[in-house]
Amino acid sequence: DAKTTQPTSMDCAEGRAANLPCNHSTISGNEYVYWYRQIHSQGPQYIIHGLKNNETNEMASLIITEDRKSSTLILPHATLRDTAVYYCIVRTTGTASKLTFGTGTRLQVTL
Amino acid sequence: DVKVTQSSRYLVKRTGEKVFLECVQDMDHENMFWYRQDPGLGLRLIYFSYDVKMKEKGDIPEGYSVSREKKERFSLILESASTNQTSMYLCASSGLAGYQETQYFGPGTRLLVL
Repeated sequence: DAKTTQPTSMDCAEGRAANLPCNHSTISGNEYVYWYRQIHSQGPQYIIHGLKNNETNEMASLIITEDRKSSTLILPHATLRDTAVYYCIVRTTGTASKLTFGTGTRLQVTL
Repeated sequence: DVKVTQSSRYLVKRTGEKVFLECVQDMDHENMFWYRQDPGLGLRLIYFSYDVKMKEKGDIPEGYSVSREKKERFSLILESASTNQTSMYLCASSGLAGYQETQYFGPGTRLLVL
């Protein structure tokens, strides 16, 4: 699976949009971009994933660049409960394979 | 709504004890996974199962065994607990292909071995 690069930490004011970037310049054509988050002492929570089109669900939006070398997770109206470590993962599908979490981005939402 | 549950959130055991961690999913998923998570080491796969009674070793299976007698249940067994098995244990499940392959995690079990 391709390697990803994320900023170590970010801050966001409550109510504002949080934009979390991820670089995956070695992504191959059959690899999906997945986002998970982990709130302290809890299990990782799936947020969203996509292949090449932008995706939106009730939690977030995922914007993937046309060359697929980077993506941005958008939390449209961040709340204090969104404070967590966010992981961007690139992986193929088609096999029962493990997830490899990098160090992620620690998002701190403040009042 | 997807649901993966784990038998305990916190567990304290003594060295040498046999420890059972249970995971149940209600999504009729074929694949189930056991990971452990340690600071600085990220998530490491212990075992996974792609069908009832089937299992595959992950990256760190030593000291662990697993059991999957029913599709919805995947158990992790520490035959003789040791202090280096103190960790956060995470269970996950996923379906077979495409979008169904998203892994969903349980809340985790924080195990302390004294």
